Amino acid sequence: QVQLVESGGGLVKPGGSLRLSCAASGFTFRDYYMSWTRQAAGKGLEWVSYISGTSSDTNYADSVKGRFTISRDNAKNSLYLQMNSLRAEDTAVYYCARDHSVGGPGDWGQGTLVTVSS
Amino acid sequence: EIVMTQSPATLSVSPGERATLSCRASQSVSNNLGWYQQKPGQAPRLLIYGASTRATGVPARFSGSGSGTEFTLTISSLQSEDFGLYYCQQYSNWPFTFGPGTKVDIK
Repeated sequence: QVQLVESGGGLVKPGGSLRLSCAASGFTFRDYYMSWTRQAAGKGLEWVSYISGTSSDTNYADSVKGRFTISRDNAKNSLYLQMNSLRAEDTAVYYCARDHSVGGPGDWGQGTLVTVSS
Repeated sequence: EIVMTQSPATLSVSPGERATLSCRASQSVSNNLGWYQQKPGQAPRLLIYGASTRATGVPARFSGSGSGTEFTLTISSLQSEDFGLYYCQQYSNWPFTFGPGTKVDIK
């Protein structure tokens, strides 16, 4: 079955960087668009970024554009989110997902918590 | 940006009753609409995509309808495990946006 396991979250100071990883298994990773969605504590869902199977197509929410970079390694069945210039408002649980359609998260990981605080 | 709204904010339902949740888009999203269920401390779970197609393993009591700007998620006979938060999401136009959610709780 589809398994997605995020890692790399933690506490970071404002202006700092963090790299999230998502290990995928149970499906042909290179065949799927993948995405990141985040959720601040007690808040709703915010789509962050997606990437195509070949990495040729990527997109970002305005709130993270220029600061976050999505990437993938199909040989390692892994998805990444490099987060730079982090702000307090980036504090959230970050979920990776296998998309059922472009921009539509289907199967989700359990999430990893990112806390940006001094 | 397409703004998604959901109503009601909270829906109190007795087990066995029918629940009807609404989602509206500020402009047409065709049928590029998904519904998600989320329980406390858990990741969201996809229930419906393409406005009306049930995801794998989703019970038949969940059904979706609508197109364009108006959508409905119906739970025909609410079970105890169905209580939680429900979100709609459009994936027609970037940036892809979620609604604020409807909380379904026990009456």
